[in-house]
Amino acid sequence: EVQLQQSGPELVKPGASVKMSCKASGYTFTDYYMKWVKQSHGKSLEWIGDINPNNGDTFYNQKFKGKATLTVDKSSSTAYMQLNSLTSEDSAVYYCARSALYYGSSYPDYWGQGTTLTVSS
Amino acid sequence: DIQMTQSPASLSVSVGETVTITCRASENIYSNLAWYQQKQGKSPQLLVYAATNLADGVPSRFSGSGSGTQYSLKINSLQSEDFGSYYCQHFWGTPYTFGGGTKLEIK
Repeated sequence: EVQLQQSGPELVKPGASVKMSCKASGYTFTDYYMKWVKQSHGKSLEWIGDINPNNGDTFYNQKFKGKATLTVDKSSSTAYMQLNSLTSEDSAVYYCARSALYYGSSYPDYWGQGTTLTVSS
Repeated sequence: DIQMTQSPASLSVSVGETVTITCRASENIYSNLAWYQQKQGKSPQLLVYAATNLADGVPSRFSGSGSGTQYSLKINSLQSEDFGSYYCQHFWGTPYTFGGGTKLEIK
């Protein structure tokens, strides 16, 4: 069974950084890209970026370049996202999602449960 | 960036009814489109990929259609478990933007 287990809620101060995790199980980690998606409270969704766990190649939404850094640890089948210089605008739920390749595009077919980030002093 | 305009923003319907949600892209996305369902407090779930293909385990009352810039998600004979929010997302070049969402509520 495919599972993506994300790390727990985070409460951090403005200006700080946070690193959240997404541990994959039930499939070959390096066979699928991992996407990260942001959902601000009560709002729609934003694609942050993709990472290829096989070689670490990353593809970012220009809006999140400099804000988010995607990495993986193949030995533990875990994807990470670090967010820096946090402001209240970064308070949101962040999802990781495994992406399967269909018809030339990678669609997120399994999602983690989300990590809630609250940025507050 | 490609803009995805989703309508309606909200819909109040009864069990058993049929609903259609639409998504219009600001340019041709060549059927590189997904639909998701999201229940309150839960993560999104993939319903449809490549505009017309149902994801594994999705009931056949769901169907996706469209081409070019216009796409639709149709739900036949709405069930109680279908209530929630629905989003479209394109995959024709980055950034992969989402529609604003449709909240489906029980009448």
